[in-house]
Amino acid sequence: QKEVEQDPGPLSVPEGAIVSLNCTYSNSAFQYFMWYRQYSRKGPELLMYTYSSGNKEDGRFTAQVDKSSKYISLFIRDSQPSDSATYLCAMTLWQFYFGTGTSLTVIP
Amino acid sequence: DAGITQSPRYKITETGRQVTLMCHQTWSHSYMFWYRQDLGHGLRLIYYSAAADITDKGEVPDGYVVSRSKTENFPLTLESATRSQTSVYFCASSEVRADQPQHFGDGTRLSIL
Repeated sequence: QKEVEQDPGPLSVPEGAIVSLNCTYSNSAFQYFMWYRQYSRKGPELLMYTYSSGNKEDGRFTAQVDKSSKYISLFIRDSQPSDSATYLCAMTLWQFYFGTGTSLTVIP
Repeated sequence: DAGITQSPRYKITETGRQVTLMCHQTWSHSYMFWYRQDLGHGLRLIYYSAAADITDKGEVPDGYVVSRSKTENFPLTLESATRSQTSVYFCASSEVRADQPQHFGDGTRLSIL
């Protein structure tokens, strides 16, 4: 069993839709939870970074961590074509564990 | 704010050749990392370094060599390239601890013929 599971998609939504991206994990000791966005032919860039269970909001983005269910989510409100990218979840113990990424396309 | 610079961005070489991928960071971050990214596997850690002259293996180190004589540079060498090493390679850094957010370069796309 992989430490981190992420549905690869692809996910295609119309502009303005709410997007929900999810990851599950197996190790209850994970401490930090992150979401990265990766545009084509670019490196991953950090979007959101949380430590505890609960929600963290930054503009149109909300990161949610449910440690009891070992489940994290990223919500994108009012999605834009510029949000089209691959989204990677990541979590850490003493090292990083990445999901394989979900490809998102927002259609104008 | 240059951040992390990787060179070259694209490289084509032949099996058996030695190739070195360069990584330079301007933040003076302690930790640096090398990953490869392949379809279906995501990001896999090759090697990491906690400081100058301190390196350690990651998940997939075979066939790779690293060095870190200066804090800002962390080159990755494929001593005798194989086709299975065709991949996109990313360098990353984090400020003080290995579990802090990592900041990535834009990658080197390496093709081995």
